[in-house]
Amino acid sequence: DSGVTQTPKHLITATGQRVTLRCSPRSGDLSVYWYQQSLDQGLQFLIQYYNGEERAKGNILERFSAQQFPDLHSELNLSSLELGDSALYFCASSVEGTGGGQFFGPGTRLTVL
Amino acid sequence: AQSVSQHNHHVILSEAASLELGCNYSYGGTVNLFWYVQYPGQHLQLLLKYFSGDPLVKGIKGFEAEFIKSKFSFNLRKPSVQWSDTAEYFCAVNSLISGGGADGLTFGKGTHLIIQP
Repeated sequence: DSGVTQTPKHLITATGQRVTLRCSPRSGDLSVYWYQQSLDQGLQFLIQYYNGEERAKGNILERFSAQQFPDLHSELNLSSLELGDSALYFCASSVEGTGGGQFFGPGTRLTVL
Repeated sequence: AQSVSQHNHHVILSEAASLELGCNYSYGGTVNLFWYVQYPGQHLQLLLKYFSGDPLVKGIKGFEAEFIKSKFSFNLRKPSVQWSDTAEYFCAVNSLISGGGADGLTFGKGTHLIIQP
């Protein structure tokens, strides 16, 4: 158990819909990262938040957005869903500046039908 | 932009064999290097990391990796593998960003390791 929690574990929805994935970082970690894992694209970095502010952006689509709240939990919002958005979405957290590496949550498996 | 290349997509070994998984990265600046393992049905787990100092780093479960700067490589090794090492192994890099901290990880495609009893 890494200490990073994600909900829900599984999500099944239809094309065109909008979903929200939730992540709670390890206690004391200020940085939250979101990743997408799919068979064809592999593991891809989407976006990073640090203490409530966006810090870095990766291959995140415009239909996707995220935010980090004052209690440091983060949400990833996926809208206008397409079949190709079906993937595992991981959240990771880290303590900035310590070089401790990122610790991953169990992921949310999204299936778009 | 950073990129990571893992040489072997699938590796099959017998128990007690020695393991070396190759990883090369492409980036012009200073990077942090990682190996992660993903057991079937589980999340990514940090095996080991390199930020600076001794280029030979030791991680959990008997794994180690050597950073060779001149070759842009960070190969993972284990002298004697066990059946329980069957998993997907990912090499990853990130770099420092202005304002402090490090950016998101760039992962390789992964190596699927199967250990036969």
